[in-house]
Amino acid sequence: ETGVTQTPRHLVMGMTNKKSLKCEQHLGHNAMYWYKQSAKKPLELMFVYSLEERVENNSVPSRFSPECPNSSHLFLHLHTLQPEDSALYLCASSQDLVGSGRTSTDTQYFGPGTRLTVL
Amino acid sequence: QKEVEQNSGPLSVPEGAIASLNCTYSDRVSQSFFWYRQYSGKSPELIMSIYSNGDKEDGRFTAQLNKASQYVSLLIRDSQPSDSATYLCAVNSGGYQKVTFGTGTKLQVIP
Repeated sequence: ETGVTQTPRHLVMGMTNKKSLKCEQHLGHNAMYWYKQSAKKPLELMFVYSLEERVENNSVPSRFSPECPNSSHLFLHLHTLQPEDSALYLCASSQDLVGSGRTSTDTQYFGPGTRLTVL
Repeated sequence: QKEVEQNSGPLSVPEGAIASLNCTYSDRVSQSFFWYRQYSGKSPELIMSIYSNGDKEDGRFTAQLNKASQYVSLLIRDSQPSDSATYLCAVNSGGYQKVTFGTGTKLQVIP
C-alpha cells in the first residue's frame, strides 16, 4: 500500500463503547496528525506527533487518547464518546513538522478518513 | 475571530471557464499556503502549495500569493465538471502552531 491509510473507514459506536482508529503512513514521514472534520466547520487539529513525540494537544477532551508507537503508525483511542463527536476523523502526515521552518516538506497528506457515528 | 476566511459558495462556473477561488488570512507571519480539493465524502487532496509572493502554475491550476494584502487565490483554467468539489485553503503560521484551514469554497462546474 502507498500513502496514508486509515482503518476502519466507517465506525458506529455507542456512548459506552471503546474503540480505536488506526492510521498508517507509508511515506517515510516524520510527523503525523489527527484532525476532526464536522459539517460546515473547518478542519480541527486534534493531535500532532513528531518522531513519535506528541507536540500539540489542542484542548481535546480526554475521551480521545492518541498513541504513536512508531513514526509510521498513529492510533486514536475512543471511549465514552458523545453524539456530538460524530464526524470524519482524518489522519495526515508530513515529511517535516508543520511550522518547522523547512518549507516544501511541511505539506500534509491525508488519509481517506474514518466516518464515525456515535449513537 | 476567523483566521482563514473563504466564501462558502457555491461558486458556479460553466465548463471551460476560469474558476477563481479566494482566501484571506489574518496572521501576517504566515509562511506556507496550501490549496486542497475535497470531493464529497472523501479526504482532502493537495492541489498546490505556495511559499513566496507571486504566481505558481501547475497544469490548469495557478496559485497566487500576496502577503502584503494577506490573500491567496487559486485559479482553475478550462474548468471541467470533474473539478466540482470543495476547495480548502490552509495557512501555516510557523512554529509548532497548527495549520489553519478555512471552511472551504464549494465549486460547481456546469456542463
